Amino acid sequence: GENVEQHPSTLSVQEGDSAVIKCTYSDSASNYFPWYKQELGKGPQLIIDIRSNVGEKKDQRIAVTLNKTAKHFSLHITETQPEDSAVYFCAASIAGGSYIPTFGRGTSLIVHP
Amino acid sequence: EAGVAQSPRYKIIEKRQSVAFWCNPISGHATLYWYQQILGQGPKLLIQFQNNGVVDDSQLPKDRFSAERLKGVDSTLKIQPAKLEDSAVYLCASSLGAGSQQETQYFGPGTRLLVL
Repeated sequence: GENVEQHPSTLSVQEGDSAVIKCTYSDSASNYFPWYKQELGKGPQLIIDIRSNVGEKKDQRIAVTLNKTAKHFSLHITETQPEDSAVYFCAASIAGGSYIPTFGRGTSLIVHP
Repeated sequence: EAGVAQSPRYKIIEKRQSVAFWCNPISGHATLYWYQQILGQGPKLLIQFQNNGVVDDSQLPKDRFSAERLKGVDSTLKIQPAKLEDSAVYLCASSLGAGSQQETQYFGPGTRLLVL
């Protein structure tokens, strides 16, 4: 089955800095890669996703890059703000048919004012 | 639109007792998922429904866990009897479907279970 590794487990940055979270996956058939933000006491919320036919996707301060050859994808957050503090999860799956995502273990991002 | 609703939000039970969680997905969402999230880990899929049929339950401990989705809308997840290692947050999610462009999942707030 799919295996997703996520690094780092904790990331501490100053407000205004950039943050990068990296994930690797094992199943070359995976073609859909969502990123979730989970705040304390809440369920995960989708913040951005990317499909295997695209190398990069941006949404304001958030961007995701995908390297299919190396089987890794990354989340980039620019101009971090204290409200970006949360746990971020990456996931990998095969979209279409039975969609069963495998999640990484999460990265706790702390943005210091 | 209303989000995914879950209840209760918190539950404390003793080992060997039984417990049930309820989920109401977003209206019109055909696919419903139950996840177990142990502290410090990512969500792990327990069971996936498409309408009222089970698509995948390969990671559901069937000797103690059961789930149903009657009429293809609400769903319940039951644990009987509970073990200490079942302490976790149980998340329900729904999506329009499982096909391409339909798989975006919307999560509920979760039920935090503590087994003593």
